[in-house]
Amino acid sequence: ETGVTQTPRHLVMGMTNKKSLKCEQHLGHNAMYWYKQSAKKPLELMFVYNFKEQTENNSVPSRFSPECPNSSHLFLHLHTLQPEDSALYLCASSQDSGTPTFNQPQHFGDGTRLSIL
Amino acid sequence: AQTVTQSQPEMSVQEAETVTLSCTYDTSESDYYLFWYKQPPSRQMILVIRQEAYKQQNATENRFSVNFQKAAKSFSLKISDSQLGDAAMYFCAYRRRSGGSNYKLTFGKGTLLTVNP
Repeated sequence: ETGVTQTPRHLVMGMTNKKSLKCEQHLGHNAMYWYKQSAKKPLELMFVYNFKEQTENNSVPSRFSPECPNSSHLFLHLHTLQPEDSALYLCASSQDSGTPTFNQPQHFGDGTRLSIL
Repeated sequence: AQTVTQSQPEMSVQEAETVTLSCTYDTSESDYYLFWYKQPPSRQMILVIRQEAYKQQNATENRFSVNFQKAAKSFSLKISDSQLGDAAMYFCAYRRRSGGSNYKLTFGKGTLLTVNP
């Protein structure tokens, strides 16, 4: 049990489809993250939510739309994706107080393997 | 901008032997955190060890230890008495401690570790 659950584990979709990735954390954390992991590239941070407010959008195309209805749930809505968007999408959570001196490591889910046809 | 470099795409070690994975980083900050994450085939990112830059003492966690050289901006991971379960992709990561965007983890490309029986 990782404490961070992602669904689905695998997703195959066409470029015109609309789908959503879901992430749920049971750790009582207040910050949640979406990362993209492509083959042979470093993990890329996409979005950060802290206390349900988006605090970082790392120049992600608008075809990716995050939603954080509460501090335990995070969604990534997908629309009109491109083949280069095929990747592993990882969700993470952490407990951050918002003050720079407080830090806790991020806990990751198992990821959703996304394939765009 | 911070960058993290892992110069060894792949490493292998015999079971029970010791292996060292290298990591260098570039930053203008003086206060930050460094991490090593492990990603087994199950995909989950697991925190292995953490180092605060203001601490001169190298962090250790059981069979895992680091060699932190702040002046050289080097952060290598040593795995002693390697076990088959240590086989995974290992990522070095950096996170600034102060100022804005203090939630962002910057990752290296990873080193794939194989443990031979």
